[in-house]
Amino acid sequence: QQQVKQSPQSLIVQKGGISIINCAYENTAFDYFPWYQQFPGKGPALLIAIRPDVSEKKEGRFTISFNKSAKQFSLHIMDSQPGDSATYFCAASSGGGYQKVTFGTGTKLQVIP
Amino acid sequence: EPEVTQTPSHQVTQMGQEVILRCVPISNHLYFYWYRQILGQKVEFLVSFYNNEISEKSEIFDDQFSVERPDGSNFTLKIRSTKLEDSAMYFCASRPIQGARDYGYTFGSGTRLTVV
Repeated sequence: QQQVKQSPQSLIVQKGGISIINCAYENTAFDYFPWYQQFPGKGPALLIAIRPDVSEKKEGRFTISFNKSAKQFSLHIMDSQPGDSATYFCAASSGGGYQKVTFGTGTKLQVIP
Repeated sequence: EPEVTQTPSHQVTQMGQEVILRCVPISNHLYFYWYRQILGQKVEFLVSFYNNEISEKSEIFDDQFSVERPDGSNFTLKIRSTKLEDSAMYFCASRPIQGARDYGYTFGSGTRLTVV
């Protein structure tokens, strides 16, 4: 019940295209859903996060869509760039995000020119 | 931009030896965490630390592991007797006080621990 399922495992997108990564969770106590971006040899970096009281959050080219009833959320990267090539992790936490974060399995995104 | 600093970046140790991984969290952060990532796998929670005590730990964090904040700036993870399966990237993270606008963790760049 603590799992966060993420798909796809890897994704290749052409420059300028839309990258879409999907996640699903079971624990209804989760109330904070961050996305992390990780480059090789670096720690995960917070990209964008959403709380379940909104259905969408947009920051620049990055948008989270959240479906509370389906217990699913997704990351859309618009106008994908080669510099976006990284591993993306969805995650979930409860207690306003101050309890442990449960990470998804990661999606390796490659944006080709 | 403030950073979480971890040292060393890479540590090689023999099985059965003790290792201490060090972290300097962001100065005004009060919540501290250790996570680990086995190569190519997901990031796993180990332990959270607040107000000088462990607030939560995972089943991975057994008696071989301990954490300490020996002074006002450092946060350490000790593995008493390393096993081959402890080989992983260990990430320290910190968060600001509750109620702060930015709720996200800041992760360090990690320490790659190799047990041989």
